[in-house]
Amino acid sequence: KAGVTQTPRYLIKTRGQQVTLSCSPISGHRSVSWYQQTPGQGLQFLFEYFSETQRNKGNFPGRFSGRQFSNSRSEMNVSTLELGDSALYLCASSSRPAENTEAFFGQGTRLTVV
Amino acid sequence: AQKITQTQPGMFVQEKEAVTLDCTYDTSDPSYGLFWYKQPSSGEMIFLIYQGSYDQQNATEGRYSLNFQKARKSANLVISASQLGDSAMYFCAMMKPGNQFYFGTGTSLTVIP
Repeated sequence: KAGVTQTPRYLIKTRGQQVTLSCSPISGHRSVSWYQQTPGQGLQFLFEYFSETQRNKGNFPGRFSGRQFSNSRSEMNVSTLELGDSALYLCASSSRPAENTEAFFGQGTRLTVV
Repeated sequence: AQKITQTQPGMFVQEKEAVTLDCTYDTSDPSYGLFWYKQPSSGEMIFLIYQGSYDQQNATEGRYSLNFQKARKSANLVISASQLGDSAMYFCAMMKPGNQFYFGTGTSLTVIP
């Protein structure tokens, strides 16, 4: 059974550009959540999708957006990149809408904004 | 509001010894799940163990066990027989309904040969 796949693994972008990150969950999992990890702020929740619907959103500006497709793959987009957006972006995959006993993460996408 | 506290920024343990990583949490929800993850330098978060708030028994997964003390709101991870490959960051996390994680700040574990 394949794990959670995030692409690309590494990205270098220039300030002002936009970027799209992809997350393919474990087969059969319908929940995908996204997190930003930085040395200063730690792991922070961005948003969560279940069956193509965004159910929760963290405290991030509107430049951060996401979506989920019918095959449960999810993308997150960051527009007008800022230096502070440099981070490891992780997605997590779960099977149920609530009370999951397992949640698996991908290897992350390391974004560097220059 | 949910909060996870890990008070040990760094820990050292001798190879083959046991080590306990501390985690306390705060929530007003009666139902919650507690997780531990390992993050090596590669960045991937590796699922280690889960404890549900209504579980009567402490969770165990191989060399990992979770010392769950609900009244004290603590969920410490115990790693037995430490191995060099256990050197990594360890995160305690609580899952809120809606599959949203709250993470602690992590503990960096170094296993000494």
